[in-house]
Amino acid sequence: GENVEQHPSTLSVQEGDSAVIKCTYSDSASNYFPWYKQELGKRPQLIIDIRSNVGEKKDQRIAVTLNKTAKHFSLHITETQPEDSAVYFCAAIPSGNTGKLIFGQGTTLQVKP
Amino acid sequence: GAVVSQHPSRVICKSGTSVKIECRSLDFQATTMFWYRQFPKQSLMLMATSNEGSKATYEQGVEKDKFLINHASLTLSTLTVTSAHPEDSSFYICSARWTGGRSSYNEQFFGPGTRLTVL
Repeated sequence: GENVEQHPSTLSVQEGDSAVIKCTYSDSASNYFPWYKQELGKRPQLIIDIRSNVGEKKDQRIAVTLNKTAKHFSLHITETQPEDSAVYFCAAIPSGNTGKLIFGQGTTLQVKP
Repeated sequence: GAVVSQHPSRVICKSGTSVKIECRSLDFQATTMFWYRQFPKQSLMLMATSNEGSKATYEQGVEKDKFLINHASLTLSTLTVTSAHPEDSSFYICSARWTGGRSSYNEQFFGPGTRLTVL
């Protein structure tokens, strides 16, 4: 089945710096890759997603890139702010059209003011 | 936007009792819902896929007789933790799959979660 690996597990940056989180997946037929932000005790919130027919997508300070050949995708946050501090999860939907999400292990991002 | 609710948000129960958690899609119909479990400082682990009108599909290692799932309507799925024990204490989150109008998009909307504590 699909396996999603996420790195790093923790990331600390200074306010204003960029943060990059990387994920790899195993199922080459996976076609949808969302990124979620989760604050303590809250539900995951979708922040950006990308489909397999697109290589890059940007939404203000957040961007996601996808390399299908290498089976990895990355989240880029520029001009980080303290309110970006949270746990970020990547996910993938494997083949089979079940729609189920397989999550990465998560990255705890700390943005220091 | 699509809204998913869960009830209760928090429950404390004694060991051996059963607990039912409800997941509702408030403004859209969801033929498929998903149940996840999240232990502290860990990722979301998919437990099962709940399909309206049919049996749930459980992930490997998840006991179907312990975690009963019922998806009786297009807007409601329930998860019942039977004979709960302290090791079942966790954050249970449901999600509903949005398929209306953008069926290939696969976007999911999450409920706010239920914190279960078994004493």
